Amino acid sequence: GAGVSQSPSNKVTEKGKDVELRCDPISGHTALYWYRQSLGQGLEFLIYFQGNSAPDKSGLPSDRFSAERTGGSVSTLTIQRTQQEDSAVYLCASSLGVGVEKLFFGSGTQLSVL
Amino acid sequence: GQNIDQPTEMTATEGAIVQINCTYQTSGFNGLFWYQQHAGEAPTFLSYNVLDGLEEKGRFSSFLSRSKGYSYLLLKELQMKDSASYLCAVRGTHYQLIWGAGTKLIIKP
Repeated sequence: GAGVSQSPSNKVTEKGKDVELRCDPISGHTALYWYRQSLGQGLEFLIYFQGNSAPDKSGLPSDRFSAERTGGSVSTLTIQRTQQEDSAVYLCASSLGVGVEKLFFGSGTQLSVL
Repeated sequence: GQNIDQPTEMTATEGAIVQINCTYQTSGFNGLFWYQQHAGEAPTFLSYNVLDGLEEKGRFSSFLSRSKGYSYLLLKELQMKDSASYLCAVRGTHYQLIWGAGTKLIIKP
């Protein structure tokens, strides 16, 4: 596609529910990153994919968080049993490869857990 | 630990010049990035420095001193559309980017 696409743009959920966030990277970009952005804080790294593999999952805050990528393209970030502290903007970015300078970001999913 | 520091907020006047500083302490250094983020939008790439010195790109310039762990983003001839947050990020060892909290720049007429 023309850019990185994320859906939904906004998600309001009740505490304890599961949510699934989707990222569609730029076609041909092999590297895909998930970040979390809270108000007044820097981007928090969650996980990255090189192709379909996730070499580093150390940024995931807890075992309630998981992510997968299929076909070297679309990725989903799943948060189980959501908590209020999960409320944030979840940003996805892609690049031609790992270590390539320029990341292209999606507009993010604003997650609100009530 | 690893740390990126930049001012939380700055105010400048339309047509003027503003310098946004970023200091960093990271394990390893493989480049420093500046991104611009308008409210509610995706961050967009502005500049990349890996060697010491000044990189100029139109109204925007970015400077790096690796020995001092210091960078700045210089914006000239400020326009109202430059009102945004400016994010500094450092690539440490391997691939991972460490991000500052961002500097919110407010431009006044």
